[in-house]
Amino acid sequence: AQKITQTQPGMFVQEKEAVTLDCTYDTSDQSYGLFWYKQPSSGEMIFLIYQGSYDEQNATEGRYSLNFQKARKSANLVISASQLGDSAMYFCAIRITSGSEKLVFGKGMKLTVNP
Amino acid sequence: DSGVTQTPKHLITATGQRVTLRCSPRSGDLSVYWYQQSLDQGLQFLIQYYNGEERAKGNILERFSAQQFPDLHSELNLSSLELGDSALYFCASSVGPGAKETQYFGPGTRLLVL
Repeated sequence: AQKITQTQPGMFVQEKEAVTLDCTYDTSDQSYGLFWYKQPSSGEMIFLIYQGSYDEQNATEGRYSLNFQKARKSANLVISASQLGDSAMYFCAIRITSGSEKLVFGKGMKLTVNP
Repeated sequence: DSGVTQTPKHLITATGQRVTLRCSPRSGDLSVYWYQQSLDQGLQFLIQYYNGEERAKGNILERFSAQQFPDLHSELNLSSLELGDSALYFCASSVGPGAKETQYFGPGTRLLVL
């Protein structure tokens, strides 16, 4: 079974600073995908970034980048130049290739960006 | 806007009742997923459909059922509702199966059972 661990319940960061959100995962599969989603207070789930287990380079999407360390089974999200609108819950998720394509989510962590 | 639509946005009902949640996937997406988000359980996968056929089941109660129609929209039916069914129900869609396929989420239906 797959598992995602997000141990930081909450983080505070100053506007314009960079912040790293931790995610570790557990799976015995060799082929899998890792995803980060953002959930603002309005409730919707917004896709941020994807990293495949065989991708050689770390994924980047605008201000978001993923620090993927396969041997350590970690997939930390880095947000550069934080903005007030980044305040939200952030969820890390894993999806394996074989069997169900379901996403398995971590418990999430709350990021607050202060002005 | 993800392109996935869900109706209704909010639903308040009583225990024992039955409700239907509706989802329209993004144009071109064949896979539909249903997830439940509650405070105690977090985000849990319920069920997946691909091109009209059930593809995978997760932690879905027997009181819950779903289907995907020929036009690819999906409905999640919740019956004999209990207080504990109060949650945010998400529909997500992707082009097809496969670990690389990103699932795009709808805005969710917030269900409150009184």
